[in-house]
Amino acid sequence: QKEVEQNSGPLSVPEGAIASLNCTYSDRGSQSFFWYRQYSGKSPELIMFIYSNGDKEDGRFTAQLNKASQYVSLLIRDSQPSDSATYLCAVNMGYSSASKIIFGSGTRLSIRP
Amino acid sequence: EAGVTQFPSHSVIEKGQTVTLRCDPISGHDNLYWYRRVMGKEIKFLLHFVKESKQDESGMPNNRFLAERTGGTYSTLKVQPAELEDSGVYFCASSLGQANEKLFFGSGTQLSVL
Repeated sequence: QKEVEQNSGPLSVPEGAIASLNCTYSDRGSQSFFWYRQYSGKSPELIMFIYSNGDKEDGRFTAQLNKASQYVSLLIRDSQPSDSATYLCAVNMGYSSASKIIFGSGTRLSIRP
Repeated sequence: EAGVTQFPSHSVIEKGQTVTLRCDPISGHDNLYWYRRVMGKEIKFLLHFVKESKQDESGMPNNRFLAERTGGTYSTLKVQPAELEDSGVYFCASSLGQANEKLFFGSGTQLSVL
């Protein structure tokens, strides 16, 4: 079992709709969860982080965390063509802060006009 | 403010040669990470520096890889001798200080071993 699992996609969503990206992780003791966006040929860019169970909203982005189910998701409302990218889920599985941050393989999202 | 910079952006070498990658983190960032993405796979953790000390090097694939961060500023990752399976994109990332996990990534070095 991979430590951080994501559906590779591609996920195709019409412009203006909600895009839902999912991620599961193996280490029940993980405390910190991140979503990075990576455009083709570019470096990953942090867009959301969440530490507590529940929802965290930032603009059009909402991160959702369910530690009991070891599940974290990212919702993108009012999807725009510029949201087309690969979205990477990352989890801190280290024994100390800012330690072993493990990435999933990413989900390719395509927003169709 | 300058971001994380990596040099070179691309490197093509032959099997058995040596390559050294460099990463300059954001000024003031104590944490420096090296990651690698092999074609079609996820970004894999290699190691983590806190200032000049190796906090976690559990992801280093073998002893052909040597990372240093003398003086706690820039870091180098040397591969000697390079093998075909070392090809991939090597990313460096940095974060501000203890308990800060928000990583800022460099643009990566694309390494091709022929």
